[in-house]
Amino acid sequence: AQSVTQLDSQVPVFEEAPVELRCNYSSSVSVYLFWYVQYPNQGLQLLLKYLSGSTLVKSINGFEAEFNKSQTSFHLRKPSVHISDTAEYFCAVSEGGSYIPTFGRGTSLIVHP
Amino acid sequence: EAGVAQSPRYKIIEKRQSVAFWCNPISGHATLYWYQQILGQGPKLLIQFQNNGVVDDSQLPKDRFSAERLKGVDSTLKIQPAKLEDSAVYLCASSLGSRLFEQFFGPGTRLTVL
Repeated sequence: AQSVTQLDSQVPVFEEAPVELRCNYSSSVSVYLFWYVQYPNQGLQLLLKYLSGSTLVKSINGFEAEFNKSQTSFHLRKPSVHISDTAEYFCAVSEGGSYIPTFGRGTSLIVHP
Repeated sequence: EAGVAQSPRYKIIEKRQSVAFWCNPISGHATLYWYQQILGQGPKLLIQFQNNGVVDDSQLPKDRFSAERLKGVDSTLKIQPAKLEDSAVYLCASSLGSRLFEQFFGPGTRLTVL
């Protein structure tokens, strides 16, 4: 069965600085990978996903993630964060054609002015 | 487009009491999911419906949890009797049949069992 590890429970960063949120997964079959974001008092929203094709996927608000099969990673990056990016970020994986994701524990991104 | 609606947003009960949560998915979304999110953990799927039929309830503790989606639209999740370890946020999500990878989540119901 697949599992997801988000090593950092909290990542504090200053506004306009770059950020990387790490995600590693374990699976013996092909996978689909997702990043979800949860803003305070709101539901989870799909930020970006990798299903197939280009290993670099991008969101509309400047985040990107790269699928690295050899390192079983799907790290999330943004070159310059805003205060409004403060939220909980969840990495998720589904395998073998399933569309039901297994979620990591989440990383709290805290952007300071 | 209205999002996934859930009520209540917060609920506090004592152990051994019963509780019910309600979810109204996005209009036209045939697939509905209930997740449990314990503090400090990611969401975990409890049950998945396709229209009014159950697709997957393998992770649902059936001795105390039940869920239904009678008319293929709204859904209710019930816990009876509640235990302390049921304290969590219960999330409802829905998706189109043709875009199952894109789940839309509601704001959740935060349950505290004392």
